[in-house]
Amino acid sequence: QSVLTQPPSVSGAPGQRVTISCTGSSSNIGAGYDVHWYQQFPGTAPKLLIYGNSNRPSGVPDRFSGSKSGTSASLAITGLQAEDEADYYCQSYDSTLSGSFGGGTKLTVL
Amino acid sequence: EVQLVESGGGLVQPGGSLRLSCEASGFTFSSYWMTWVRQAPGKGLEWVANIKQDGSEKYYVDSVKGRFSISRDNAKNSLYLHMNSLRAEDTAVYYCARGWVVAGNDYWGQGTLVTVSS
Repeated sequence: QSVLTQPPSVSGAPGQRVTISCTGSSSNIGAGYDVHWYQQFPGTAPKLLIYGNSNRPSGVPDRFSGSKSGTSASLAITGLQAEDEADYYCQSYDSTLSGSFGGGTKLTVL
Repeated sequence: EVQLVESGGGLVQPGGSLRLSCEASGFTFSSYWMTWVRQAPGKGLEWVANIKQDGSEKYYVDSVKGRFSISRDNAKNSLYLHMNSLRAEDTAVYYCARGWVVAGNDYWGQGTLVTVSS
């Protein structure tokens, strides 16, 4: 099982705001390690969406934002669009499992 | 342009071996940690292993320790994953990715499918 817990699915209508949570513990997020987020479309490789908790790589729309507090982190998507429908994964270093990923969240745009 | 191209996947019997390769281009390969991540059919991402720039540090997920070995050849801009004693549960698409968890994996290859089945 993943040491980072994400909801299996979230959904929202176009234009709405959705958030995806990533809950960790004192051995990963709570220990101060950064959280990164990835977006993956079916049949394709993951893409880095947010790094270092809240930073966007070049080319990622500012509709995507990340935050971290305590032992948890969140990915927020505002102005939801149909093309945002994908799987989203959080990642953080864990003192027992190095490069842990969350279990992933499937975003459905209604 | 940064490119990562995996190869070496295929069908292998349980207990067999396979070597995956990842050829890098478009960046100074020797300056980056590198990572292997896998994804079983219909499942989430699983970190497998990573290796420091000079190969002096290597880390593995518990389920592959003693069976898989990560290595690199900086002169050939190539990353490898040597997989032995393969099991059905190793069936997955294997991705190589630049970087490691501290700063995120910013570039990924297209993946290579490994199927372990008799």
